[in-house]
Amino acid sequence: DGGITQSPKYLFRKEGQNVTLSCEQNLNHDAMYWYRQDPGQGLRLIYYSQIVNDFQKGDIAEGYSVSREKKESFPLTVTSAQKNPTAFYLCASTPLQGLNEQFFGPGTRLTVL
Amino acid sequence: AQSVAQPEDQVNVAEGNPLTVKCTYSVSGNPYLFWYVQYPNRGLQFLLKYITGDNLVKGSYGFEAEFNKSQTSFHLKKPSALVSDSALYFCAVRDEGGSYIPTFGRGTSLIVHP
Repeated sequence: DGGITQSPKYLFRKEGQNVTLSCEQNLNHDAMYWYRQDPGQGLRLIYYSQIVNDFQKGDIAEGYSVSREKKESFPLTVTSAQKNPTAFYLCASTPLQGLNEQFFGPGTRLTVL
Repeated sequence: AQSVAQPEDQVNVAEGNPLTVKCTYSVSGNPYLFWYVQYPNRGLQFLLKYITGDNLVKGSYGFEAEFNKSQTSFHLKKPSALVSDSALYFCAVRDEGGSYIPTFGRGTSLIVHP
C-alpha cells in the first residue's frame, strides 16, 4: 500500500536531548513537509523540501533541523534549542506537478519530561 | 499573501440535521481550496478540493462544499450529520500565482450529538 509512515507514534524526551522523528513515503512525491500542531493553533509549517538535498525553513524553524538525502525520507530533529517542543508533529507530501492535495502521515506525539 | 479563516472554533449539530463548517479566504489571484478532516491522534485526511469549474464540489463521506467567489467563502456542508462525523476540520488555501505551500485555518471542531 502506498502512503506515509511516521515513527515513533509516541516519543518522550528529557530536557536537553535531541530527538529525531522519522517520515517515509512511498508515493514518489517530490515535496515533503513538517508541521507542528498545538491545540487551537492549527498547523504551523516547520520545514519543507521540494527536492533531494534541498529544503527551506517554514514559519517556525528555530530549534529544528531536517535532511533530505533520499526522495522517500525527510527526518526531523528536534534540538535542545527548541524551548517548547511538546506537540503533535505531522509529516506530509505532495507531487509538485498539478494542483494536488497533501497526503499526511499519522503523526508523532512528542512529550518533554 | 494568502490567508484563511475558520470563524468558529466549535460547531454543534444533532445527528440527522444538516451541518455547515465555515471557511473564508483571501488571495491575490485565483484560489485553490481544500478541506481536510482529522480524527483524534491521527493525521489529516483529504475530503475535497476546488480548483476550477462547478461551484459545488462533492467529496468523500457525503461531504460537499460551495465555492462563493463574491463572498470569498468555501463552506463545508453535509445534508445529514452522523455521530461519526465528529472530528476536527481544516480548510486550506493556495494562491494560483503564489507559493505551492498551502495556508491552513485554525480548525473547527465538529460535534454531532446523538
